[in-house]
Amino acid sequence: GDSVTQMEGPVTLSEEAFLTINCTYTATGYPSLFWYVQYPGEGLQLLLKATKADDKGSNKGFEATYRKETTSFHLEKGSVQVSDSAVYFCALRTNTGFQKLVFGTGTRLLVSP
Amino acid sequence: DTEVTQTPKHLVMGMTNKKSLKCEQHMGHRAMYWYKQKAKKPPELMFVYSYEKLSINESVPSRFSPECPNSSLLNLHLHALQPEDSALYLCASSQGRAVEAFFGQGTRLTVV
Repeated sequence: GDSVTQMEGPVTLSEEAFLTINCTYTATGYPSLFWYVQYPGEGLQLLLKATKADDKGSNKGFEATYRKETTSFHLEKGSVQVSDSAVYFCALRTNTGFQKLVFGTGTRLLVSP
Repeated sequence: DTEVTQTPKHLVMGMTNKKSLKCEQHMGHRAMYWYKQKAKKPPELMFVYSYEKLSINESVPSRFSPECPNSSLLNLHLHALQPEDSALYLCASSQGRAVEAFFGQGTRLTVV
């Protein structure tokens, strides 16, 4: 079945460091890919998306590129802030069948001043 | 406006109580969802409504009963819950099933 694999956390960084959170997927067909962010005690917010191969999603300094050849959608940010501390979920939605949203296990990011 | 509103934000209920969670969106989305999220886990899909009809039930126990009174509202009726049902319940909506979903802030449910 369809699945998403994310790197284990927590990822601990100092402010202004470069961030990469790895995400790979397994899916039939050509899924749409998403990154959601969840701040403590809150719901999920859509951070960025990509709907086809080579698309780059970007928002608030975060970027991710849909790589079909490596089935990856890694999240990057050039300079993290303390306020970026949150849990990040990679997710896919397939274009076939019930088109359910499938989440990875989440990666906690902790940014210290 | 990409807002999905859930009420209440927090709910404590006994195992013999009946309560309801409410979700509202005014984005004209025709698909609405209930998810359950336990601590340090990703959200798990419970139900999907498409055009106000239940299209997916992920084998959820009958003590959870969803209802979609109209295209803007989604309810989750709770009855005879167990302590292990304590979790964050998230509502989401999307334009269709093939695009991104927008989530509410969730209801933190504690069953005592």
